Amino acid sequence: DSGVTQTPKHLITATGQRVTLRCSPRSGDLSVYWYQQSLDQGLQFLIQYYNGEERAKGNILERFSAQQFPDLHSELNLSSLELGDSALYFCASSVAGTAGVRGYTFGSGTRLTVV
Amino acid sequence: GQSLEQPSEVTAVEGAIVQINCTYQTSGFYGLSWYQQHDGGAPTFLSYNALDGLEETGRFSSFLSRSDSYGYLLLQELQMKDSASYFCAVQGTGGGNKLTFGTGTQLKVEL
Repeated sequence: DSGVTQTPKHLITATGQRVTLRCSPRSGDLSVYWYQQSLDQGLQFLIQYYNGEERAKGNILERFSAQQFPDLHSELNLSSLELGDSALYFCASSVAGTAGVRGYTFGSGTRLTVV
Repeated sequence: GQSLEQPSEVTAVEGAIVQINCTYQTSGFYGLSWYQQHDGGAPTFLSYNALDGLEETGRFSSFLSRSDSYGYLLLQELQMKDSASYFCAVQGTGGGNKLTFGTGTQLKVEL
């Protein structure tokens, strides 16, 4: 157990639907990052939150949104789902400023399948 | 922005030494990291180089040369369990702590 909790582990939904992925960071970590990993692809950065505030944005579609709550858990909302959104979605956390030295701690991911 | 290139696949035999290269283009970064990911699993942090040179952590070593925009991960005494994907990543200086990951290298360890 890495200490980063993601739910659900698997999600199957139809095109056009909306889903919410949830992430609880490791205790003490203030930063949460969301990444998308499509089949046989690398990790694509979506968005970062630090202590409730959006800190950095990557190639996140307008149909996707995220937030970090006062208890530091984060949710990634995906709407108007398309087949191409099928992927593994990872959440990671870090103590601010240590993404390099101590690295990210990743959750086990949510596998989203859009049918 | 940043881009990092890695070989897509490397094959080696158990007990051997293998080197996974990473070449990058970036406008500025704090350091180069390496992550391991088994099929469908969570990436796990392996090592970090802030400065040029070699960092050693057990069977794994990582190297960085900023002047050559190049780094590598060296795995010694390969074991079957080392079969996985390996990603290099940079933390850019452009704000936040986000990591940009490389294309990934799938390592296959054979008997």
